Amino acid sequence: QQQVKQSPQSLIVQKGGISIINCAYENTAFDYFPWYQQFPGKGPALLIAIRPDVSEKKEGRFTISFNKSAKQFSLHIMESQPGDSATYFCAASVPSGYALNFGKGTSLLVTP
Amino acid sequence: DTAVSQTPKYLVTQMGNDKSIKCEQNLGHDTMYWYKQDSKKFLKIMFSYNNKELIINETVPNRFSPKSPDKAHLNLHINSLELGDSAVYFCASTSPWGTEAFFGQGTRLTVV
Repeated sequence: QQQVKQSPQSLIVQKGGISIINCAYENTAFDYFPWYQQFPGKGPALLIAIRPDVSEKKEGRFTISFNKSAKQFSLHIMESQPGDSATYFCAASVPSGYALNFGKGTSLLVTP
Repeated sequence: DTAVSQTPKYLVTQMGNDKSIKCEQNLGHDTMYWYKQDSKKFLKIMFSYNNKELIINETVPNRFSPKSPDKAHLNLHINSLELGDSAVYFCASTSPWGTEAFFGQGTRLTVV
């Protein structure tokens, strides 16, 4: 049973554009929502994360928007670059949770 | 110095064989994990160990047996390999106070 639903499955954005990836969850016990970035042949690496007590978190060109009432959160990549081309995973975990529940991933291609 | 290292990176083996994947982390973390990434890139938790104690054991066939000789190592042994076991297996670790998971580079297992 998929606990975190992610869309779109793939995304093509022109250089300089905004990439937006959306996730939704059902379990209201989730209290930690990270985004991971994975390049081919590598393991996922933490990009940015948010807790439900804030509605937005920004780190450089990457922003998480969080809507607790809608149980949705999204990743915005501003000024997308070809080097951002990778697979992005949203995830969620419960307090003191010992595992991340991942979305199915979004393959992002940023064209020059 | 690699934080989470797995060996081997690639493993090709015949159906019915038994194989092991090793994982070591030098971050001083207490919690280690095995995740499976299928051909569609979906990441799913298999096992979680905290201080050498099994915490999470998802519905994984009992042909898969994790072993944690100490809190820096978590190995995965797979008996009677099947074609459906072909996937990329990731080891990860987290600190007791933090939530960021550090992943290894993965082991691509191909069963022929």
